[in-house]
Amino acid sequence: SAVISQKPSRDICQRGTSLTIQCQVDSQVTMMFWYRQQPGQSLTLIATANQGSEATYESGFVIDKFPISRPNLTFSTLTVSNMSPEDSSIYLCSGMTDKETQYFGPGTRLLVL
Amino acid sequence: GQQVMQIPQYQHVQEGEDFTTYCNSSTTLSNIQWYKQRPGGHPVFLIQLVKSGEVKKQKRLTFQFGEAKKNSSLHITATQTTDVGTYFCAGNTGKLIFGQGTTLQVKP
Repeated sequence: SAVISQKPSRDICQRGTSLTIQCQVDSQVTMMFWYRQQPGQSLTLIATANQGSEATYESGFVIDKFPISRPNLTFSTLTVSNMSPEDSSIYLCSGMTDKETQYFGPGTRLLVL
Repeated sequence: GQQVMQIPQYQHVQEGEDFTTYCNSSTTLSNIQWYKQRPGGHPVFLIQLVKSGEVKKQKRLTFQFGEAKKNSSLHITATQTTDVGTYFCAGNTGKLIFGQGTTLQVKP
């Protein structure tokens, strides 16, 4: 299985500020993704992080709000910009292996006041 | 758009009883994956099913993939308190589409 780490594990932020979440994966991962999970809800795909190019965003998510970088195969960042209380959620990074199985990081619990 | 429906949303069982959760996709899947998420934890990969009609077992867990590759089920025999959590199916159509999850509570 792939090993995926994320930081910070949690944060409390003021509205209007931005937070950058970092994700580090091991070398078995070919693709990286960012998800959001509201408490008690399922996972919603935000975007696919593409190495060296712009991320591919899902419907309802835009680059200005959730800029994503992936400068190399094993590292990606997600920024939650100009935060509002509605952005309070768990943000999860995941990596897909060449066998198309996905493994998730421990998540970042974000609370926006 | 593509959807994966999962039922039931919640299930309470007595320890020792069986449990089943069902997934149904609106489109044919290349594969389906199952995850378990403990309270306060992150989704943990359980298994991937690829072939039409495939059945896989992990101890007390039995996973099935339908003949049309549009539905799947997870069955737990003789539940234990350690089985508590939310079970998600995720259909792969080029990207993973997650079902709503089934939260299992087990009374000791």
